[in-house]
Amino acid sequence: GAGVSQSPRYKVAKRGQDVALRCDPISGHVSLFWYQQALGQGPEFLTYFQNEAQLDKSGLPSDRFFAERPEGSVSTLKIQRTQQEDSAVYLCASSLGAGGETQYFGPGTRLLVL
Amino acid sequence: KQEVTQIPAALSVPEGENLVLNCSFTDSAIYNLQWFRQDPGKGLTSLLLIQSSQREQTSGRLNASLDKSSGRSTLYIAASQPGDSATYLCAPKSNQFYFGTGTSLTVIP
Repeated sequence: GAGVSQSPRYKVAKRGQDVALRCDPISGHVSLFWYQQALGQGPEFLTYFQNEAQLDKSGLPSDRFFAERPEGSVSTLKIQRTQQEDSAVYLCASSLGAGGETQYFGPGTRLLVL
Repeated sequence: KQEVTQIPAALSVPEGENLVLNCSFTDSAIYNLQWFRQDPGKGLTSLLLIQSSQREQTSGRLNASLDKSSGRSTLYIAASQPGDSATYLCAPKSNQFYFGTGTSLTVIP
């Protein structure tokens, strides 16, 4: 079946613009994760959903970052008033259950804030 | 917060060599540990997942070991091939997955 997909793949934003990044997890996967990966670094956890419930948002760097998964499938990560330090690759992953199973990653959205 | 260190940061080997990638983590209270590979410009691909109760997992030419009490894991790659060139990341899971900065592997034909 299809894997995790993300759109757009690339996004260029002017500083101060709002952006919305979309993640389509594998169908039926309960858990969904968002990560931020800076150049040359490993992914850093942002937030975690179990179905539509956002159970952990401890990694969101500021209140400009907001994520939702209203129907327990597709998720959107929104960044308001983007700053240059928001430039990174944003990765989405899903896993079948609610435990620590294998995570399946999407290709990421590369965000560049000018 | 879990701190994850991967050594070496970069490694270049001739094709056919066996190699070991090292991962250490500070918080041994983990549920499992996952090894991933990442190709340039791509997402992560899961290689192996070791539960906290396990000592090792094998998949083809890959073998991962876990010593939870000492906070260490190793990924052993046998008979390396040019297609193995990628960045390898380990991620122990406590309340969430924490990633190291990875080992960049180049296998020279």
